[in-house]
Amino acid sequence: AQSVTQLDSHVSVSEGTPVLLRCNYSSSYSPSLFWYVQHPNKGLQLLLKYTSAATLVKGINGFEAEFKKSETSFHLTKPSAHMSDAAEYFCVVSEKSGGYNKLIFGAGTRLAVHP
Amino acid sequence: SQTIHQWPATLVQPVGSPLSLECTVEGTSNPNLYWYRQAAGRGLQLLFYSVGIGQISSEVPQNLSASRPQDRQFILSSKKLLLSDSGFYLCAWSSRQGLSAGELFFGEGSRLTVL
Repeated sequence: AQSVTQLDSHVSVSEGTPVLLRCNYSSSYSPSLFWYVQHPNKGLQLLLKYTSAATLVKGINGFEAEFKKSETSFHLTKPSAHMSDAAEYFCVVSEKSGGYNKLIFGAGTRLAVHP
Repeated sequence: SQTIHQWPATLVQPVGSPLSLECTVEGTSNPNLYWYRQAAGRGLQLLFYSVGIGQISSEVPQNLSASRPQDRQFILSSKKLLLSDSGFYLCAWSSRQGLSAGELFFGEGSRLTVL
């Protein structure tokens, strides 16, 4: 069975500094991996996804993530944080189950950005 | 383009009262549909998923039920709400094929408070 571990429940950065949100996964085969962002009281929005193409994936709003099979990691990064990046971020792994793709969500990392 | 609508956005209900949350998808056909619950400070828990009309699978035993009376309509219900049913409920859909297969598209969520 696949699983996802987000290593930090809370991350706090200053505006303009780099962001690193860590995610490790376990999977018995090549997974599809996603990062979603959720602003308060809103639905989730896809930031980026990895589906066995390039290992460095670029997403929206300047975020990117690197798939490292040897480390079973898919960390999310951004060179310079903006106040609007404050939100909760979910790392997700997808597995096929029956007739649909079952998404396994991590517990989430809440990102705070300070002026 | 595809859109997903979920309502009501907020709901306050007494213990023991019924519940009906509705979700509709536009701009696509034959989607997979999902209901997730997000309790305060916790990740997303898959409640139900559906691969077709009248086909509902439950991930966890609970006080809730789901129905799919039409291809693009998904309803979450309860006959008698419990305090523990409080949370943020998210409807989502996914395509079964193509580049976006496996990617979930979320509604804006429904916040349920049971008093």
